[in-house]
Amino acid sequence: NAGVMQNPRHLVRRRGQEARLRCSPMKGHSHVYWYRQLPEEGLKFMVYLQKENIIDESGMPKERFSAEFPKEGPSILRIQQVVRGDSAAYFCASSPTPSRDGYTFGSGTRLTVV
Amino acid sequence: QKEVEQNSGPLSVPEGAIASLNCTYSDRGSQSFFWYRQYSGKSPELIMSIYSNGDKEDGRFTAQLNKASQYVSLLIRDSQPSDSATYLCAVNGAAGNKLTFGGGTRVLVKP
Repeated sequence: NAGVMQNPRHLVRRRGQEARLRCSPMKGHSHVYWYRQLPEEGLKFMVYLQKENIIDESGMPKERFSAEFPKEGPSILRIQQVVRGDSAAYFCASSPTPSRDGYTFGSGTRLTVV
Repeated sequence: QKEVEQNSGPLSVPEGAIASLNCTYSDRGSQSFFWYRQYSGKSPELIMSIYSNGDKEDGRFTAQLNKASQYVSLLIRDSQPSDSATYLCAVNGAAGNKLTFGGGTRVLVKP
């Protein structure tokens, strides 16, 4: 069981570029969650997806951020026109059920905007 | 009021002592509760889950839940230097569709 796979581990983007973060859930997990962690802060919920559906995007900034979880392939978190304030660790988690179980987190993508 | 609150610490404990971490939450309909450990620069790791009032023990860890007081705690017995990390409290609210995390408590175990 390979666990939750995220790539890349580190991503450097210049201001104004696009960042694409990928997440493959654990085998058998159909629920994917994205969280953002700023330095010295807790995890902030961004979005919850199932295959081909966004279930809850209440934590997503209204502009520049989008997420998808297609029928085939990994979940993608896309940040357009990045700004320095987007620099953070982005964690993906997955679970087999939405309510009862804790989540397994991937190793994260550390985005640095220069 | 934050949805999930923790004392940020640092909580400094001598090796071999008991570390006591506290967490309060605002959503009275919350269903499930978790403690994660996060080492610096690493991802959160699930160490305890608790769903009903009372205590739950797993090795050196004990989680305690009091839904009436909306309070969750974690005890770490015989603390080791390797327990030095940030401990995150997470709550699955009444809607049951996401975990909300507290800001974390940093624990330092001194040899």
